[in-house]
Amino acid sequence: DSGVTQTPKHLITATGQRVTLRCSPRSGDLSVYWYQQSLDQGLQFLIQYYNGEERAKGNILERFSAQQFPDLHSELNLSSLELGDSALYFCASSALGNTEAFFGQGTRLTVV
Amino acid sequence: AQSVTQPDIHITVSEGASLELRCNYSYGATPYLFWYVQSPGQGLQLLLKYFSGDTLVQGIKGFEAEFKRSQSSFNLRKPSVHWSDAAEYFCAVVPFGNEKLTFGTGTRLTIIP
Repeated sequence: DSGVTQTPKHLITATGQRVTLRCSPRSGDLSVYWYQQSLDQGLQFLIQYYNGEERAKGNILERFSAQQFPDLHSELNLSSLELGDSALYFCASSALGNTEAFFGQGTRLTVV
Repeated sequence: AQSVTQPDIHITVSEGASLELRCNYSYGATPYLFWYVQSPGQGLQLLLKYFSGDTLVQGIKGFEAEFKRSQSSFNLRKPSVHWSDAAEYFCAVVPFGNEKLTFGTGTRLTIIP
């Protein structure tokens, strides 16, 4: 158990819909990262938050957004969903100044 | 271009045989180097990491990796694999001055009896 909790584990939704994925980082970790894993793109970095502020942005679509709340949990919002958004979405967390990231079990999103 | 490469998409080894998974990186300065394992339906688990110092690093589950600056490589090894080692293995880097992981494409390991 990495200490990073992601909910839900599985999500099936229709095209055009909006979903929210939730991540609770390890206790004390201030950084949260979101990654997307798909068959064609592999593991892609989406976005990083540090103590509530956006810190780095990767290959995140404009239809996607994220935030980190004062209690340090984070949410990834995916809107106007397309079939190609079907993927495994991982959250990871790390401590201040530590590049070692711990990953959650992921949320498997299926868009039908 | 900066990249991390895992040249082997799929490797099959017999149980009890030795294993070496290859990883090469292309960055101006030596990045931080990691190996993660992903079992079916599971998240990513850190096997080992290299920041500096001794170029042979020991990890969990009997794995080790050797950093070779001259070859820009960080290959993962295990002397004797077990059926439970069947999984996808990812090499990852954190470039100098950065915080996010960049992953290779992964190597799927199959173990045969």
